[in-house]
Order: sequence, then structure tokens, then C-alpha cells
Amino acid sequence: QSALTQPASVSGSPGQSITISCTGTSSDVGSYNLVSWYQQHPGKAPKLMIYEVSKRPSGVSNRFSGSKSGNTASLTISGLQAEDEADYYCCSYAGSSTLGVFGGGTKLTVL
Amino acid sequence: EVQLVQSGAEVKKPGESLRISCKGSGYSFTSYWISWVRQMPGKGLEWMGRIDPSDSYTNYSPSFQGHVTISADKSISTAYLQWSSLKASDTAMYYCARHAQQLVPTFDYWGQGTLVTVSS
Repeated sequence: QSALTQPASVSGSPGQSITISCTGTSSDVGSYNLVSWYQQHPGKAPKLMIYEVSKRPSGVSNRFSGSKSGNTASLTISGLQAEDEADYYCCSYAGSSTLGVFGGGTKLTVL
Repeated sequence: EVQLVQSGAEVKKPGESLRISCKGSGYSFTSYWISWVRQMPGKGLEWMGRIDPSDSYTNYSPSFQGHVTISADKSISTAYLQWSSLKASDTAMYYCARHAQQLVPTFDYWGQGTLVTVSS
């Protein structure tokens, strides 16, 4: 099972919006609405930001939103803030044996 | 408060064995699967495998099948990740993570990570 494809880096200025893509296949992203997104600050454990494509856990800012079209899922962060600077990873269900596959990660820089 | 607390950093030599742990608290340990996730230095997250603590059923990513063993002791709410013969390439941070729902790779709580360094 290959990793999902994410851009290595994205950047934006405070207040702007950015979108991170996560491209898989018809065997993972395309077949299931089970994509989640994680934020990881340097030296910290990942934190769940979005699950089941577009749902936000309690306590996560509504500036974070998710969507999916075909084999590609997306994470959008609106009203960028300095604290959003981190690495972001997508993860998709990929079947009962492989279960989960992560994307390669995207480094978000807030200019 | 839900917590996953992992054992401390380890420094080992190639060929040695190792078991690291992940203790759950603040919830019913047997009601939620636990997965292990690897992060090699400067690299991304990789799903290794999972365990259902209620019956210790496991499944593994093909990339890790046969290289590691995941187990659990429900009497002490602890999951384990073990190696029988470490390699330098096993040097990484290892996280345990709780599945929000069975079958689904949505990880709502994470341990703090255990750094494993394998060097001669």
C-alpha cells in the first residue's frame, strides 16, 4: 500500500486561506469517507483535526475544514494564524487488512 | 481525562530485543483499539499495526508484518510493541494512538512518543 500523496510544503500569510491536498486511489480515499487529518508541531505528538472527511472534533477551531472529491481529499485552513504553522498529515482507511495509510506530510509555513 | 502514557526513550544495539509500552487511562481500555505509528527522523507517519485489547486480535501493515509484534495486557491497560532483533533502521519515534471507532483509522488520542535509537 503506497503512501497518500501530499505537497511537501505550502505557505500563506496571516489571515489568508490555504488548502492542502491528499491524493490516493480508488482503493483508499476514493472508496471510503474515512479520511482524517492530523496537525503535528515540532517535537510533539500528532493531533486530530478532521475526521470522516469533514467532521471536526470538539475543541478544534472552525477555521479548519475538510472535503473530498474522487480520489483527492483536502484540508482548508482559513484565517491563517502563526500557531497553524506545523506539519499536516492525511490518513485514509485502506481496507480491513491494511487499515490505515498516511500521506507523506505537508509543512505549512505562515509567512 | 483520557491519557496514553508511553515508556521512556531507549538506546539499543543492533540485534538486541526491545519492548516498549503504552498505558491507557481515563477510559475503558478494552473498548478501543490501539495502533502503533512510526516516525523516522525527519520523516512522515507510518501506520504499523493495531490491536483490539479486548481479545488481543491484531493486524499489521504489510511493511511491518513479521518485523514487530503488537500485544496487550488488558489487566493493566497496557499495549506493547516489541522487536526480537533490532536493526539500525528501526531508529525512530514510535507513537501509540487510540482509535476513535473500531475498524476506522481515526486516532483521537496519542501517546507522547517513545524514541528508540539503535546504534552500535
